[in-house]
Amino acid sequence: DGGITQSPKYLFRKEGQNVTLSCEQNLNHDAMYWYRQDPGQGLRLIYYSQIVNDFQKGDIAEGYSVSREKKESFPLTVTSAQKNPTAFYLCASIEGPGLSVHEQFFGPGTRLTVL
Amino acid sequence: GQNIDQPTEMTATEGAIVQINCTYQTSGFNGLFWYQQHAAEAPTFLSYNVLDGLEEKGRFSSFLSRSKGYSYLLLKELQMKDSASYLCAVKNNAGKSTFGDGTTLTVKP
Repeated sequence: DGGITQSPKYLFRKEGQNVTLSCEQNLNHDAMYWYRQDPGQGLRLIYYSQIVNDFQKGDIAEGYSVSREKKESFPLTVTSAQKNPTAFYLCASIEGPGLSVHEQFFGPGTRLTVL
Repeated sequence: GQNIDQPTEMTATEGAIVQINCTYQTSGFNGLFWYQQHAAEAPTFLSYNVLDGLEEKGRFSSFLSRSKGYSYLLLKELQMKDSASYLCAVKNNAGKSTFGDGTTLTVKP
């Protein structure tokens, strides 16, 4: 079955540590996205990538980094520079180029808690 | 930038019809999407509009007026399982999607 996987589902991190969230898709989608969601709020865009080896900052990129070395993978690193990292992180992908009008498919999300 | 507004909460009765509004401001409009999100789960796609008018998909319909920067999602024959958050998202011609804060719909018996 095709889909998007994120791991782990729950992640605990000590303050000051970097942590990498995994996102893998086998849908052959070109564009991939990372969002952050805080309680009672919508999704805020962190980074997005429309093609391999290329990515753009979203609205809240500070304290985060990404890479897109393979079409199917778009890992997100939450660095110690991110002041308030506790949140629900969602990865998504779109069929075709990012400019195409297609809906986003979301992974199940990773809930990150900083202790 | 992009700015999206939708009501925070709505309540409706099982079997009724409810309309969730969304207003937006954006440059380079390239589509408006509606997603449903149940608590602690990922959003799932409901509908999208690129051109003005009404798009119908079963119990769900979505309307768009680009000149007014306005959309609504219409849910008919409400069921208890429709209790969820409904997210309006606008995509621009740079491939970037911006989401509203969502409308939490509570369906009561």
